[in-house]
Amino acid sequence: GESVGLHLPTLSVQEGDNSIINCAYSNSASDYFIWYKQESGKGPQFIIDIRSNMDKRQGQRVTVLLNKTVKHLSLQIAATQPGDSAVYFCAENMGNTGGFKTIFGAGTRLFVKA
Amino acid sequence: NAGVMQNPRHLVRRRGQEARLRCSPMKGHSHVYWYRQLPEEGLKFMVYLQKENIIDESGMPKERFSAEFPKEGPSILRIQQVVRGDSAAYFCASSLSEGSTEAFFGQGTRLTVV
Repeated sequence: GESVGLHLPTLSVQEGDNSIINCAYSNSASDYFIWYKQESGKGPQFIIDIRSNMDKRQGQRVTVLLNKTVKHLSLQIAATQPGDSAVYFCAENMGNTGGFKTIFGAGTRLFVKA
Repeated sequence: NAGVMQNPRHLVRRRGQEARLRCSPMKGHSHVYWYRQLPEEGLKFMVYLQKENIIDESGMPKERFSAEFPKEGPSILRIQQVVRGDSAAYFCASSLSEGSTEAFFGQGTRLTVV
């Protein structure tokens, strides 16, 4: 079964507000996490990643927080824009020897209201 | 510098026919991953291949599905005797090496079985 899950299937925010998308995982051995954005009809697009030896990482308008104690990570999007409307997936890199296998959660659909 | 190329983008097959999905990884990438995505769901890992080798096929159905990544040419995901339940979007991703952490995704092939 899935080892990565999302708390909410949809999130609606006002343009300009901050968005927070949450994700829970179950595999305490996972050492690498990724957030992807998927727009309608397109493949997933890498947003930001974080390793398990960190608890926060910032990018351009996005921040990922990792809480290993409760196996939870979140994606924060600052000043949400209409172009941010998409489905967001959290994924864990299982780190298998010889490659990796990324397990995706169900996803959260973000709606940005103008 | 083309990204991951998948074709066809859309494929319609009648029940019992064969479906062949092609994936050309990014230039220089020798690691390919296939995922399946049902509507309103996340991506499910199917198979991980390197040139001429299947590394991990733990997500592949036991029957009717096969994948290859020959020395020359694209990776092929083959589905024999398709059934309606095979209707989904199939995504391919490639990465530079086994140590690489980021995978780049193609636009997907949407298979419809009628």
